[in-house]
Amino acid sequence: GAVVSQHPSWVICKSGTSVKIECRSLDFQATTMFWYRQFPKQSLMLMATSNEGSKATYEQGVEKDKFLINHASLTLSTLTVTSAHPEDSSFYICSARDLASGGSYNEQFFGPGTRLTVL
Amino acid sequence: GENVEQHPSTLSVQEGDSAVIKCTYSDSASNYFPWYKQELGKRPQLIIDIRSNVGEKKDQRIAVTLNKTAKHFSLHITETQPEDSAVYFCAARRASSASKIIFGSGTRLSIRP
Repeated sequence: GAVVSQHPSWVICKSGTSVKIECRSLDFQATTMFWYRQFPKQSLMLMATSNEGSKATYEQGVEKDKFLINHASLTLSTLTVTSAHPEDSSFYICSARDLASGGSYNEQFFGPGTRLTVL
Repeated sequence: GENVEQHPSTLSVQEGDSAVIKCTYSDSASNYFPWYKQELGKRPQLIIDIRSNVGEKKDQRIAVTLNKTAKHFSLHITETQPEDSAVYFCAARRASSASKIIFGSGTRLSIRP
C-alpha cells in the first residue's frame, strides 16, 4: 500500500515553545490529509482536515490559532503546535488518501505518529 | 453530529476462541466502514473494510457484517491467536473524496494462552 511518513517520530519541548510536525505522502499525491490526536488508551480524535492550497477545516473545539496547519504541496502537510503546554502532550497522527486509486472508497493511510511531550 | 459507538471496550478471550466487536453509527449517509488494528505506539492498520452495498465480507479468520437498516456493523475474529492482541477501532465514513473518518472508541483485545 501507499506510504505516509511523519517527522519527527518523537519530540520533547519546553512549555511555551512551538513544535512543527511534518506529514508526507511518499509515493502518491494527497490533496487531502487529516490530522488526529490520540491520548493514552483513547481513540483517534480528528483535529482538522488539511486541503492542499487552501485553509484547513478544523473540528469543533480545536483552536485553529494554536494548531496551525499548512498544506503547501500535494505531498506535504505540516502541523505546528504553537505555545505548547503540558496538556498538548499527545500522540499526533496524520493520514492521507490516495485519490488516484480505489475511487471514492479509497483507503486512508496513516503515518507512524509523532509523540509530543511538553515539559 | 456523527458518532460511532463501539463495544466492548475490553475483551479477553481464550486462544483459539472467537472474538466479536460491535459498532453502531449515527450518520445514515455513511457507506464505508473500515476496521483498524493498532498496536501500542504504532499507527492504525486497516485489516478489513466493507461497503454499504455488501452485507458481509470475509478475509481468512476475519469477517465483518453490516446491517445498514439498524446501522450496526461487527467484526468477527475466529481461531484467535496471541498476535491478535491489540486495540481494534471501527470507523465510518461517507464515500466522497474529502470525507473524514469517524472512529469508534476502541476495543482492547487480549488473547489468553
